[in-house]
Amino acid sequence: DGGITQSPKYLFRKEGQNVTLSCEQNLNHDAMYWYRQDPGQGLRLIYYSQIVNDFQKGDIAEGYSVSREKKESFPLTVTSAQKNPTAFYLCASKGGTSYEQYFGPGTRLTVT
Amino acid sequence: GQQLNQSPQSMFIQEGEDVSMNCTSSSIFNTWLWYKQEPGEGPVLLIALYKAGELTSNGRLTAQFGITRKDSFLNISASIPSDVGIYFCAGQGGVRVNNDMRFGAGTRLTVKP
Repeated sequence: DGGITQSPKYLFRKEGQNVTLSCEQNLNHDAMYWYRQDPGQGLRLIYYSQIVNDFQKGDIAEGYSVSREKKESFPLTVTSAQKNPTAFYLCASKGGTSYEQYFGPGTRLTVT
Repeated sequence: GQQLNQSPQSMFIQEGEDVSMNCTSSSIFNTWLWYKQEPGEGPVLLIALYKAGELTSNGRLTAQFGITRKDSFLNISASIPSDVGIYFCAGQGGVRVNNDMRFGAGTRLTVKP
């Protein structure tokens, strides 16, 4: 089955710790995205990558970092510099010239 | 970045009723997408629209790409309990194709049996 997987589903961390969220896709998509979702708001773009070894900041990149060493994988690190990290994080991918983004199941991060 | 204006914010309807929601923007978009998100899950793509005036159906769902290219509408006919969820619109346009997707805040739909 082709799709996007995110792990873990739920993640708890103490304030001041970095944490890495996993995103893997086997759709052979070139572009991958990370979004943050907060209650009552639309999705906000954190980082995106159009191709391996390249990525760009989105609207709210501060306090986050990413890597794209493999086409299938686009991990997101939430650093201690992110002031309000508790949120639902969504990974998406897009293939070729299509505009259609397909989402993973999400990771809910809680930082206390 | 600019977000889309999606309305209504929430709807409480009786099973069997029809539902309408819309998204508007001050900018022109080349593509409109509609997603449904269930609690604790990622959004699932329902309908994609690529041309102004286009009307596309997916089962009981029908979406339209507004003529002005600044709005889109989603209708659900004869709602059922499993229609419950949050419906998001997304618009893609502008020069920066790969990162120019904008999302509405969502319409939360509740269907009473």
